[in-house]
Amino acid sequence: QKEVEQNSGPLSVPEGAIASLNCTYSDRGSQSFFWYRQYSGKSPELIMFIYSNGDKEDGRFTAQLNKASQYVSLLIRDSQPSDSATYLCAVSRGTGGFKTIFGAGTRLFVKA
Amino acid sequence: DAGVIQSPRHEVTEMGQEVTLRCKPISGHDYLFWYRQTMMRGLELLIYFNNNVPIDDSGMPEDRFSAKMPNASFSTLKIQPSEPRDSAVYFCASTTFAGSGYTFGSGTRLTVV
Repeated sequence: QKEVEQNSGPLSVPEGAIASLNCTYSDRGSQSFFWYRQYSGKSPELIMFIYSNGDKEDGRFTAQLNKASQYVSLLIRDSQPSDSATYLCAVSRGTGGFKTIFGAGTRLFVKA
Repeated sequence: DAGVIQSPRHEVTEMGQEVTLRCKPISGHDYLFWYRQTMMRGLELLIYFNNNVPIDDSGMPEDRFSAKMPNASFSTLKIQPSEPRDSAVYFCASTTFAGSGYTFGSGTRLTVV
């Protein structure tokens, strides 16, 4: 079992729709959860982090965490073609001082 | 802030040659991470440093790989001798202890032929 699992996709949604990206993790000691976006040929960039169960909203992005189910998700509302990228779920046992394990990523295509 | 700076951006080398990748973290960031990304294996943590000291090198694939951080503003990842299976994009990232997430450099695309 991989430590962090994501559906590789591609996930294709029409412009303006909600894109839902999912992630499960195996380490119950995980405390910090991150979503990174990576455009083709570029480096990962942090878009959201969440530490507590529930939802966290930032603009068009909402991260959802359920520690009991070991499940993290990212919702992107009003998807735009510029959101087309690979989204990496990442998990850590703590803050920056702890190593982060990344999932393989889900490719998202937003069709204009 | 110039961000995390990596060099070179691209490196093509022949099998058996020594390769050195370089990274300058963000000033004030006391944690530095080296990751390798391939299509097959995704992003893999190779090694990370805290205050220039290696904390966890369990991801270093074998003795051909070595990493150093002689001071707070510079780190190197060396592969000697290089092999075609080392071809990948190597990323450096930095953060602080209380940091939420990492800042990645632009990466070095290594091709070993």
